[in-house]
Amino acid sequence: DTGVSQNPRHKITKRGQNVTFRCDPISEHNRLYWYRQTLGQGPEFLTYFQNEAQLEKSRLLSDRFSAERPKGSFSTLEIQRTEQGDSAMYLCASSLVGQGQEKLFFGSGTQLSVL
Amino acid sequence: RKEVEQDPGPFNVPEGATVAFNCTYSNSASQSFFWYRQDCRKEPKLLMSVYSSGNEDGRFTAQLNRASQYISLLIRDSKLSDSATYLCVAYQAGTALIFGKGTTLSVSS
Repeated sequence: DTGVSQNPRHKITKRGQNVTFRCDPISEHNRLYWYRQTLGQGPEFLTYFQNEAQLEKSRLLSDRFSAERPKGSFSTLEIQRTEQGDSAMYLCASSLVGQGQEKLFFGSGTQLSVL
Repeated sequence: RKEVEQDPGPFNVPEGATVAFNCTYSNSASQSFFWYRQDCRKEPKLLMSVYSSGNEDGRFTAQLNRASQYISLLIRDSKLSDSATYLCVAYQAGTALIFGKGTTLSVSS
């Protein structure tokens, strides 16, 4: 499978616990995005990387959230001290910038439920 | 004001109908526009890009009006398989793609 891969598919945790999600982008893609989506809403931008550099963070990304892309390949998104309001689908997307119009390809997402 | 706004619907149409979705964007510096399709409990998938001259892909036609900051998607001869949520997306170089909330389409036989 050469698409965007996200793990785990589902995560159930108790409030106050830390969780970490992983995203493996399409191999030649240089840009990687994290979005969050709740029921009835479109994907909301969280942050994105170009190679290993984190270029932009949304105001939605509180200090409990941290994302890394250490070698410019896979990325992790960690949420510390989870709250019930963090329950959502976390979507990762990747793209290749510099070759025409940028087009995002999404992974299947990680569904987080905070109890 | 939200950057990308769409009528959430739902739009309920019979097979064979023509249906149009509209979208407005607030950032006049937005450069590229897209329509994504999202099936229930699935990830969004690119449906088509939107160009100033308008573009067509089979039964789907997308239009962009920069003066009015307005994007549209027209679906002709609707199929049951067209039932999904359609997300309008605006992009400005150097920032991330911004999604609307989506418009839900339900096509019935």
